[in-house]
Amino acid sequence: GAVVSQHPSRVICKSGTSVKIECRSLDFQATTMFWYRQFPKQSLMLMATSNEGSKATYEQGVEKDKFLINHASLTLSTLTVTSAHPEDSSFYICSARATGPETQYFGPGTRLLVL
Amino acid sequence: GENVEQHPSTLSVQEGDSAVIKCTYSDSASNYFPWYKQELGKRPQLIIDIRSNVGEKKDQRIAVTLNKTAKHFSLHITETQPEDSAVYFCAASINTGTASKLTFGTGTRLQVTL
Repeated sequence: GAVVSQHPSRVICKSGTSVKIECRSLDFQATTMFWYRQFPKQSLMLMATSNEGSKATYEQGVEKDKFLINHASLTLSTLTVTSAHPEDSSFYICSARATGPETQYFGPGTRLLVL
Repeated sequence: GENVEQHPSTLSVQEGDSAVIKCTYSDSASNYFPWYKQELGKRPQLIIDIRSNVGEKKDQRIAVTLNKTAKHFSLHITETQPEDSAVYFCAASINTGTASKLTFGTGTRLQVTL
């Protein structure tokens, strides 16, 4: 149980375009989903927390207008990187948590390369 | 906010030896401490966690200890195997329901050599 999927696994896009990443909890209802960014050989940095049906809470320094997060259902959250630039190239990982337990289950990540 | 420090950043041990990774946290209200293993290019996977009402927890070759007074917790891996080679992250959180979030340490790259 507790499987989280993420799509796509890898995406290459041109500078200035937008990219949407999907995160799904496959066998449980995720009240809360988290979006992280991880640069090579670094730790996971939380970008935002989203609760189903409400606006996401962004961490300090993360532009909410650039990283659009939607958590429309208990099994799906999306992250849209708008007007992507090369410095947005990174490994984006989502995680999901059910109501009650603290345990977060991570998706397999999306490697974004902006040319 | 919470700050989690992790040491060492790299650790090399011979197969069969033990490995210990240590973390400290700053917020005394933190009450949940998971450890994740991340292989190159893969997702972090939960390997063990501990809550603040427990001082030690063991699962086969893996154990975690927590010292609330000193605000530090450690991961112990015994009888290490090559497949234990990965990056390990500690984390801490204050479980306040939907508002709780994990703060991660900087990671330890463990290399188990033959």
